[in-house]
Amino acid sequence: DAGITQSPRHKVTETGTPVTLRCHQTENHRYMYWYRQDPGHGLRLIHYSYGVKDTDKGEVSDGYSVSRSKTEDFLLTLESATSSQTSVYFCASDRDGNTEAFFGQGTRLTVV
Amino acid sequence: GESVGLHLPTLSVQEGDNSIINCAYSNSASDYFIWYKQESGKGPQFIIDIRSNMDKRQGQRVTVLLNKTVKHLSLQIAATQPGDSAVYFCAENPGGYGTYKYIFGTGTRLKVLA
Repeated sequence: DAGITQSPRHKVTETGTPVTLRCHQTENHRYMYWYRQDPGHGLRLIHYSYGVKDTDKGEVSDGYSVSRSKTEDFLLTLESATSSQTSVYFCASDRDGNTEAFFGQGTRLTVV
Repeated sequence: GESVGLHLPTLSVQEGDNSIINCAYSNSASDYFIWYKQESGKGPQFIIDIRSNMDKRQGQRVTVLLNKTVKHLSLQIAATQPGDSAVYFCAENPGGYGTYKYIFGTGTRLKVLA
């Protein structure tokens, strides 16, 4: 498996608090992605990055921000968590925006 | 684990039989497709891909078939094994090969019966 790890694996937080999820990859992949996975939906892209400091919005970006200060790290921040952001979050990376995106194990976030 | 409790269509298959999982994709402009496998507690894992200039591609024990006329994709797993039990979903790329804004299906749960 590719070296891509997410932390934390589980988190419970209160509405209105900021939350940061971390993704770390050791493959030197240029592209990184944050998705959320919810019942009845396929994976939905939140934000992606195509290089250090280069990021762009996905289809469900409202309420989320990201940062990529190093090739290996991609952070997802919920500025003020809401219950609708309760989900399982997956990070992924791939070499060049191409095939075989490697996924992390996921983070289950519960906003109460 | 990180299963999301999805109420998914389920395919139950006897061990050793062949499995066929289907996917209807949405965008006629999509020209690149991927099948992923997601085991309980794990992230999605790439299985096989296919471009729109092909109608069939084979991997190890897996075959993907593409029917662009009816926008249908299928994954065939030969000699299904217990380790094949997972959720399988397809992804289409309406932006074409080399871009990354995939549309993911909701998936089918494959249960392998001993």
